[in-house]
Amino acid sequence: QVTLKESGPVLVKPTETLTLTCTVSGFSLSNARMGVSWIRQPPGKALEWLAHIFSNDEKSYSTSLKSRLTISKDTSKSQVVLTMTNMDPVDTATYYCARIRMRDSYGTISYYYYYMDVWGKGTTVTVSS
Amino acid sequence: QTAVTQEPSFSVSPGGTVTLTCGLSSGSVSTSYYPSWYHQTPGQAPRTLIYSTNTRSSGVPDRFSGSILGNKAALTITGAQADDESDYYCVLYMGSGIWVFGGGTKLTVL
Repeated sequence: QVTLKESGPVLVKPTETLTLTCTVSGFSLSNARMGVSWIRQPPGKALEWLAHIFSNDEKSYSTSLKSRLTISKDTSKSQVVLTMTNMDPVDTATYYCARIRMRDSYGTISYYYYYMDVWGKGTTVTVSS
Repeated sequence: QTAVTQEPSFSVSPGGTVTLTCGLSSGSVSTSYYPSWYHQTPGQAPRTLIYSTNTRSSGVPDRFSGSILGNKAALTITGAQADDESDYYCVLYMGSGIWVFGGGTKLTVL
């Protein structure tokens, strides 16, 4: 069974750095067919994709938040870590990690998917002094 | 950055059919964007409905279908039920490891 579980502080102060951990089970972070993304959702608002890490350790970030985000992984611990610097009350949100199904390969044929197939339950972070 | 557009809200009668769309602020959506659809009820994590334009995720009933309609991706619900009342999000893959969510559609069944 594939699961993802987010963990981190419930409350952070403005200007502080947020560190969130996504612990996965049921698959390996070295699996080239998979990746892990972070997504957030402010209260009452839409989902927003933040960052992604591929099995080969390549990373990608939301254009609007790129300067504040860092994503990394520890394959041996099955963990993906997201840090966000200079937190502000507008960053108050539920933060989700999700597995991204990238592709399946059958011999020389590959099928590409690029979607979130399994989600964590999310962790709520409030930014307040 | 190009924005992904969705209807903010939609309503459908029980048993009715509704089509939600997912467009781009600039350009047309095609299968090359690998459109996917998710639904979310209050307090819950999103759940996957459709991926790669028109493939239903495991366990999703066949009254949910995905397609490209004109220059947009579309999610059609046929025979809407009360528990389909939810927020629906589309996601487009922009390439280079970048995904963009639409603003979501709040579907009311009444």
